[in-house]
Amino acid sequence: GENVEQHPSTLSVQEGDSAVIKCTYSDSASNYFPWYKQELGKRPQLIIDIRSNVGEKKDQRIAVTLNKTAKHFSLHITETQPEDSAVYFCAALNYGGSQGNLIFGKGTKLSVKP
Amino acid sequence: DADVTQTPRNRITKTGKRIMLECSQTKGHDRMYWYRQDPGLGLRLIYYSFDVKDINKGEISDGYSVSRQAQAKFSLSLESAIPNQTALYFCATSGPQRVGNEQFFGPGTRLTVL
Repeated sequence: GENVEQHPSTLSVQEGDSAVIKCTYSDSASNYFPWYKQELGKRPQLIIDIRSNVGEKKDQRIAVTLNKTAKHFSLHITETQPEDSAVYFCAALNYGGSQGNLIFGKGTKLSVKP
Repeated sequence: DADVTQTPRNRITKTGKRIMLECSQTKGHDRMYWYRQDPGLGLRLIYYSFDVKDINKGEISDGYSVSRQAQAKFSLSLESAIPNQTALYFCATSGPQRVGNEQFFGPGTRLTVL
């Protein structure tokens, strides 16, 4: 089955700097890759996703890149702000496969220092 | 997301007790999921249901059972709770894959087994 590795587990940046979180996946059939943000004491919420027919997707200060050959994808946050502090989870899904379940990485705790 | 609710929000119980966690949704989604979250381990799938008559085990189903009482309700039971089931439990829903794969999480239930 699918296995998703996420790095780093913790990341601390200064406000205004960029942050990058990387994930690798094992199943080449996976074709949907979302990122969820979980603020302290809150539920995870989708912030951006990418499908395997696209190499990059941007939404204001966040972007996701996908390298299907290497089976890795990354979340990029530019001009970080204190409110970006949260735990971020990547996930992979075999869209259209027999199970179609998300497999999550273990999470990255991002701290943005003012 | 107020469309997915969980009860109770917090529960403290003793080893050996039977516990039921309930999830309700008003999103009209067919797909429902139960995850547990432990520090450093991310979100792990316990059970999932793609419709009322479809129940499937996830990654860590041992010690748990579920019931899909209706499209809108999905309950998780711990038949005989043990301390290592202490965790934060999330219910989630998603619509059909043809319209996207975003999962909408409930607010979570914090369970402590003494």
